[in-house]
Parts: sequence; C-alpha cells; structure tokens
Amino acid sequence: NAGVMQNPRHLVRRRGQEARLRCSPMKGHSHVYWYRQLPEEGLKFMVYLQKENIIDESGMPKERFSAEFPKEGPSILRIQQVVRGDSAAYFCASSPPAIPIQYFGAGTRLSVL
Amino acid sequence: SQQGEEDPQALSIQEGENATMNCSYKTSINNLQWYRQNSGRGLVHLILIRSNEREKHSGRLRVTLDTSKKSSSLLITASRAADTASYFCATDANFGNEKLTFGTGTRLTIIP
Repeated sequence: NAGVMQNPRHLVRRRGQEARLRCSPMKGHSHVYWYRQLPEEGLKFMVYLQKENIIDESGMPKERFSAEFPKEGPSILRIQQVVRGDSAAYFCASSPPAIPIQYFGAGTRLSVL
Repeated sequence: SQQGEEDPQALSIQEGENATMNCSYKTSINNLQWYRQNSGRGLVHLILIRSNEREKHSGRLRVTLDTSKKSSSLLITASRAADTASYFCATDANFGNEKLTFGTGTRLTIIP
C-alpha cells in the first residue's frame, strides 16, 4: 500500500507565476489535508477536503490560493501569482473516515525567486 | 491562535539516555497526537492519546496527558541515534476527521 504521494518534491517559480502542487492520498483514504511549514516552525493547517468537497478552508489565504480534490485524480493545491512569502514546504496528509490519525506525504518545497 | 508550544525547543542528550519533551495547548481537545519529522521529510505518526486517557505506552514511548493543565509530555526511553528528529504535538477538537493544530516542535539530537 503506497503512502501519500506528493509531486513535485521541489518546485521553483518566479514571482507572478503559478504553482500547482499535487497529492495522491493513500488507497482507501477519502480525506485530504494541506499544511504549510515555514523553516524551523510547526505545520499550519490550510484546507481539508473530501472528494469534490471543501470541508474546511479556514487556514487558506483568501486570495491566490485554491484547492480541489476531484472525483478522479489527485488533490491539487494551486497558488496563483506567487510571491516570495509563499516559499515554504507544503505537506499533504490523508486519513480514512472517522480516524483522527493523518498520514503525511514527503512534501513539496516551493521556492519563489 | 490555538497553536501549542513544545518545550524545550531543542534538546541534546547522549545515546541511551531518556528524552522528555513537553507540549502545552490552549483550547479543549478531543485527541492529542505526537508526530516525528526527520530533516527534510514528512511527518510520521507516533502515538495518539484521547482526552479521557492519562497515560499511554508504545514501545519505548510513553505519553501523558493532563487536561486540567492543558499539557502533555512525550518520554523516549533508551534513546538511539535514529531518534534524532523534530517532534511535534498535534491536537484536534472534534470527533473523527478534522484539522490538526500543531505545536512549534522540539528538535531532539542524540549524540552517539
């Protein structure tokens, strides 16, 4: 059973470009979470999705950021018009229904030049 | 913010010694979990303790929870070099699936 897969592992973008981060949850997991981690800090919650639904986006910036988890395919975190402050590690986690334990991917490290 | 704090921020001990990390949080919780993060990697779940539990063991790990003080501790006994990592506590407030609120982490270094 493959773990949570994130790609790319590293992403470099120039200011103003778009960043797309992908996450494939573990098999059988219908809940996906995105977190952001700045250097030397803990993870900050961004968004929680189930298939085709956003359940909680209370941690998502109101502008430029969006997330989806379509019926088919991976979950996508999209950052439009990136700025240097978006540079961080973005982690995806998944969990099965009614289980509070989350399983994390290896993360995508976004660098904005 | 309800983000918790770990104490100490960094800890260095000799291999074979015990390591204790503490976590404080701010709001009522349903569960508290501990995760480990090796440098540059994702988080790995270690242990979960529910709000109605006071202590839990898993191998060399021992977790305590004091809901009256809103605090938890993680004890790693007989430490090994492979235990070198950052350790985070994470809380959730409701039953089932829900976002986790992470603490600031303790960076543990085991000296061979």
